[in-house]
Amino acid sequence: AQKITQTQPGMFVQEKEAVTLDCTYDTSDPSYGLFWYKQPSSGEMIFLIYQGSYDQQNATEGRYSLNFQKARKSANLVISASQLGDSAMYFCAMREGSGAGSYQLTFGKGTKLSVIP
Amino acid sequence: NAGVMQNPRHLVRRRGQEARLRCSPVKGHSHVYWYRQLPEEGLKFMVYLQKENIIDESGMPKERFSAEFPKEGPSILRIQQVVRGDSAAYFCASNGLAGGLQEKLFFGSGTQLSVL
Repeated sequence: AQKITQTQPGMFVQEKEAVTLDCTYDTSDPSYGLFWYKQPSSGEMIFLIYQGSYDQQNATEGRYSLNFQKARKSANLVISASQLGDSAMYFCAMREGSGAGSYQLTFGKGTKLSVIP
Repeated sequence: NAGVMQNPRHLVRRRGQEARLRCSPVKGHSHVYWYRQLPEEGLKFMVYLQKENIIDESGMPKERFSAEFPKEGPSILRIQQVVRGDSAAYFCASNGLAGGLQEKLFFGSGTQLSVL
Protein backbone atom coordinates (compact mmCIF):
# COMPACT_ATOMS: atom_id res chain seq x y z
CA ALA A 1 0.00 0.00 0.00
CA GLN A 2 1.15 3.51 -0.78
CA LYS A 3 2.26 5.35 2.32
CA ILE A 4 1.81 8.78 0.74
CA THR A 5 -0.82 9.44 -1.91
CA GLN A 6 -1.07 12.61 -3.93
CA THR A 7 -4.05 12.21 -6.23
CA GLN A 8 -3.59 15.36 -8.31
CA PRO A 9 -0.88 14.93 -10.95
CA GLY A 10 -1.39 18.52 -12.07
CA MET A 11 -3.19 21.63 -10.85
CA PHE A 12 -3.79 25.08 -12.29
CA VAL A 13 -4.47 28.19 -10.23
CA GLN A 14 -4.98 31.81 -11.14
CA GLU A 15 -2.39 34.22 -9.80
CA LYS A 16 -3.39 35.69 -6.40
CA GLU A 17 -5.89 32.89 -5.77
CA ALA A 18 -5.51 30.23 -3.08
CA VAL A 19 -4.91 26.57 -3.97
CA THR A 20 -5.05 23.32 -2.02
CA LEU A 21 -2.79 20.38 -2.84
CA ASP A 22 -4.02 17.08 -1.50
CA CYS A 23 -2.03 14.51 0.46
CA THR A 24 -3.23 11.43 2.28
CA TYR A 25 -1.00 9.12 4.24
CA ASP A 26 -1.08 5.65 5.67
CA THR A 27 0.61 4.65 8.89
CA SER A 28 -0.17 2.67 12.02
CA ASP A 29 2.50 4.48 13.98
CA PRO A 30 0.99 7.05 16.38
CA SER A 31 4.12 9.16 16.10
CA TYR A 32 4.92 10.64 12.70
CA GLY A 33 5.82 13.82 10.93
CA LEU A 34 4.56 15.22 7.67
CA PHE A 35 6.53 17.46 5.34
CA TRP A 36 5.94 19.39 2.16
CA TYR A 37 8.74 20.13 -0.28
CA LYS A 38 8.74 22.26 -3.41
CA GLN A 39 10.77 21.32 -6.47
CA PRO A 40 11.02 24.11 -9.06
CA SER A 41 12.16 23.40 -12.59
CA SER A 42 15.76 23.97 -11.51
CA GLY A 43 15.50 20.70 -9.58
CA GLU A 44 16.40 21.49 -5.99
CA MET A 45 14.14 20.34 -3.16
CA ILE A 46 13.00 23.17 -0.92
CA PHE A 47 11.46 22.51 2.49
CA LEU A 48 8.16 24.35 2.99
CA ILE A 49 6.37 23.19 6.12
CA TYR A 50 6.22 20.51 8.80
CA GLN A 51 3.38 19.03 10.86
CA GLY A 52 3.84 16.60 13.74
CA SER A 53 1.21 14.01 14.56
CA TYR A 54 0.83 15.36 18.09
CA ASP A 55 0.69 19.02 17.11
CA GLN A 56 -2.59 20.52 18.23
CA GLN A 57 -2.64 23.31 15.71
CA ASN A 58 -2.23 23.34 11.95
CA ALA A 59 1.22 24.45 10.87
CA THR A 60 1.67 27.75 9.06
CA GLU A 61 4.71 29.26 7.35
CA GLY A 62 4.00 32.55 5.62
CA ARG A 63 1.69 31.87 2.67
CA TYR A 64 1.80 28.12 3.34
CA SER A 65 -0.49 26.35 5.75
CA LEU A 66 -1.15 22.70 6.34
CA ASN A 67 -4.73 21.51 6.73
CA PHE A 68 -4.12 18.55 9.02
CA GLN A 69 -7.07 16.20 9.49
CA LYS A 70 -5.75 13.37 11.58
CA ALA A 71 -8.85 11.17 11.55
CA ARG A 72 -8.94 11.32 7.76
CA LYS A 73 -5.16 10.92 7.53
CA SER A 74 -4.86 13.91 5.30
CA ALA A 75 -2.32 16.72 5.28
CA ASN A 76 -3.25 19.09 2.53
CA LEU A 77 -1.05 22.04 1.65
CA VAL A 78 -2.78 25.38 1.20
CA ILE A 79 -0.98 28.14 -0.67
CA SER A 80 -2.62 31.51 -0.32
CA ALA A 81 -2.27 34.37 -2.80
CA SER A 82 -0.49 32.28 -5.45
CA GLN A 83 2.46 33.83 -7.24
CA LEU A 84 4.03 32.93 -10.58
CA GLY A 85 7.07 31.69 -8.70
CA ASP A 86 4.92 29.05 -7.02
CA SER A 87 4.81 27.07 -10.26
CA ALA A 88 6.66 23.87 -9.37
CA MET A 89 6.28 20.25 -8.31
CA TYR A 90 5.11 19.79 -4.75
CA PHE A 91 5.88 16.67 -2.76
CA CYS A 92 4.29 15.46 0.43
CA ALA A 93 6.49 13.26 2.62
CA MET A 94 6.24 11.39 5.91
CA ARG A 95 8.60 10.21 8.57
CA GLU A 96 7.34 7.52 10.93
CA GLY A 97 8.55 7.78 14.47
CA SER A 98 9.37 4.32 15.64
CA GLY A 99 10.97 1.17 14.43
CA ALA A 100 13.69 0.64 11.91
CA GLY A 101 14.09 3.36 9.35
CA SER A 102 12.48 6.05 11.44
CA TYR A 103 14.89 8.56 9.91
CA GLN A 104 13.62 7.94 6.39
CA LEU A 105 11.33 10.28 4.51
CA THR A 106 8.80 8.55 2.27
CA PHE A 107 7.64 10.74 -0.60
CA GLY A 108 4.49 10.88 -2.69
CA LYS A 109 4.59 11.15 -6.47
CA GLY A 110 4.02 14.87 -6.41
CA THR A 111 1.62 17.45 -7.83
CA LYS A 112 2.65 19.82 -10.57
CA LEU A 113 1.26 23.27 -9.86
CA SER A 114 1.00 25.83 -12.62
CA VAL A 115 0.13 29.43 -11.74
CA ILE A 116 -1.62 31.31 -14.52
CA PRO A 117 -1.09 35.07 -14.82
CA ASN B 1 26.50 29.03 4.97
CA ALA B 2 26.80 26.61 2.12
CA GLY B 3 23.99 24.12 1.72
CA VAL B 4 24.34 20.59 0.45
CA MET B 5 26.64 20.64 -2.55
CA GLN B 6 26.38 17.99 -5.22
CA ASN B 7 28.51 17.55 -8.28
CA PRO B 8 28.45 17.12 -11.08
CA ARG B 9 25.10 18.67 -11.86
CA HIS B 10 24.77 16.59 -15.01
CA LEU B 11 26.60 13.39 -15.83
CA VAL B 12 26.48 11.49 -19.09
CA ARG B 13 27.79 7.96 -19.26
CA ARG B 14 27.72 5.19 -21.83
CA ARG B 15 26.43 1.78 -20.88
CA GLY B 16 29.06 -0.15 -18.97
CA GLN B 17 30.92 2.87 -17.64
CA GLU B 18 31.15 3.92 -14.02
CA ALA B 19 29.35 6.91 -12.50
CA ARG B 20 30.64 8.67 -9.38
CA LEU B 21 28.36 11.18 -7.73
CA ARG B 22 29.69 13.45 -4.98
CA CYS B 23 27.93 15.12 -2.10
CA SER B 24 29.23 17.52 0.53
CA PRO B 25 26.68 17.90 3.34
CA VAL B 26 25.85 21.08 5.17
CA LYS B 27 28.82 22.03 7.33
CA GLY B 28 28.47 20.29 10.67
CA HIS B 29 26.00 17.68 9.45
CA SER B 30 27.11 14.12 9.99
CA HIS B 31 24.12 12.29 8.48
CA VAL B 32 23.87 11.84 4.74
CA TYR B 33 21.09 10.28 2.70
CA TRP B 34 20.91 9.43 -0.98
CA TYR B 35 17.62 9.39 -2.85
CA ARG B 36 16.80 8.56 -6.47
CA GLN B 37 14.08 10.24 -8.50
CA LEU B 38 12.81 8.61 -11.66
CA PRO B 39 10.82 10.71 -14.16
CA GLU B 40 7.30 11.53 -12.93
CA GLU B 41 8.05 9.92 -9.57
CA GLY B 42 8.78 11.02 -6.04
CA LEU B 43 12.10 10.47 -4.37
CA LYS B 44 12.97 6.94 -3.30
CA PHE B 45 15.32 6.31 -0.38
CA MET B 46 18.53 4.52 -1.26
CA VAL B 47 21.02 4.70 1.59
CA TYR B 48 21.75 6.43 4.89
CA LEU B 49 25.30 7.00 6.04
CA GLN B 50 27.12 8.54 8.93
CA LYS B 51 30.82 9.24 8.89
CA GLU B 52 32.61 6.02 7.89
CA ASN B 53 29.47 3.94 8.45
CA ILE B 54 26.62 2.70 6.33
CA ILE B 55 23.58 2.70 8.59
CA ASP B 56 20.88 1.56 6.18
CA GLU B 57 21.29 0.57 2.54
CA SER B 58 17.96 -1.17 2.22
CA GLY B 59 16.90 1.01 -0.72
CA MET B 60 20.00 0.44 -2.76
CA PRO B 61 20.20 -2.21 -5.51
CA LYS B 62 22.29 -5.14 -4.34
CA GLU B 63 24.63 -5.06 -7.30
CA ARG B 64 26.65 -2.32 -8.98
CA PHE B 65 25.72 0.37 -6.43
CA SER B 66 27.83 1.41 -3.47
CA ALA B 67 28.09 4.43 -1.21
CA GLU B 68 30.62 5.77 1.22
CA PHE B 69 31.01 8.74 3.54
CA PRO B 70 34.67 8.86 4.57
CA LYS B 71 36.05 10.63 7.59
CA GLU B 72 37.41 13.33 5.33
CA GLY B 73 35.84 14.44 2.09
CA PRO B 74 32.46 14.15 0.43
CA SER B 75 30.06 11.26 0.34
CA ILE B 76 30.29 9.27 -2.88
CA LEU B 77 27.59 7.28 -4.61
CA ARG B 78 29.19 4.92 -7.09
CA ILE B 79 27.38 3.07 -9.85
CA GLN B 80 29.41 0.51 -11.75
CA GLN B 81 28.61 -0.74 -15.24
CA VAL B 82 25.73 1.65 -15.68
CA VAL B 83 22.64 0.64 -17.63
CA ARG B 84 19.94 2.80 -19.21
CA GLY B 85 17.62 2.11 -16.28
CA ASP B 86 20.04 3.96 -13.99
CA SER B 87 19.16 7.23 -15.73
CA ALA B 88 17.58 9.36 -13.02
CA ALA B 89 18.13 12.32 -10.76
CA TYR B 90 20.15 11.42 -7.66
CA PHE B 91 19.67 13.62 -4.64
CA CYS B 92 21.80 13.87 -1.57
CA ALA B 93 20.41 15.20 1.70
CA SER B 94 21.85 15.84 5.12
CA ASN B 95 20.81 16.70 8.64
CA GLY B 96 22.52 17.12 11.91
CA LEU B 97 20.42 14.84 14.08
CA ALA B 98 18.74 11.72 12.80
CA GLY B 99 15.76 10.34 14.65
CA GLY B 100 13.97 13.55 15.52
CA LEU B 101 10.59 13.56 13.85
CA GLN B 102 10.79 17.22 12.99
CA GLU B 103 14.32 17.09 11.63
CA LYS B 104 13.97 18.22 8.06
CA LEU B 105 16.36 17.09 5.41
CA PHE B 106 18.42 19.65 3.55
CA PHE B 107 18.69 18.62 -0.07
CA GLY B 108 21.26 19.31 -2.72
CA SER B 109 20.30 20.26 -6.28
CA GLY B 110 20.78 16.74 -7.48
CA THR B 111 22.87 15.04 -10.15
CA GLN B 112 21.05 14.17 -13.34
CA LEU B 113 22.56 10.95 -14.66
CA SER B 114 21.94 10.11 -18.29
CA VAL B 115 23.06 6.74 -19.63
CA LEU B 116 23.42 6.52 -23.40
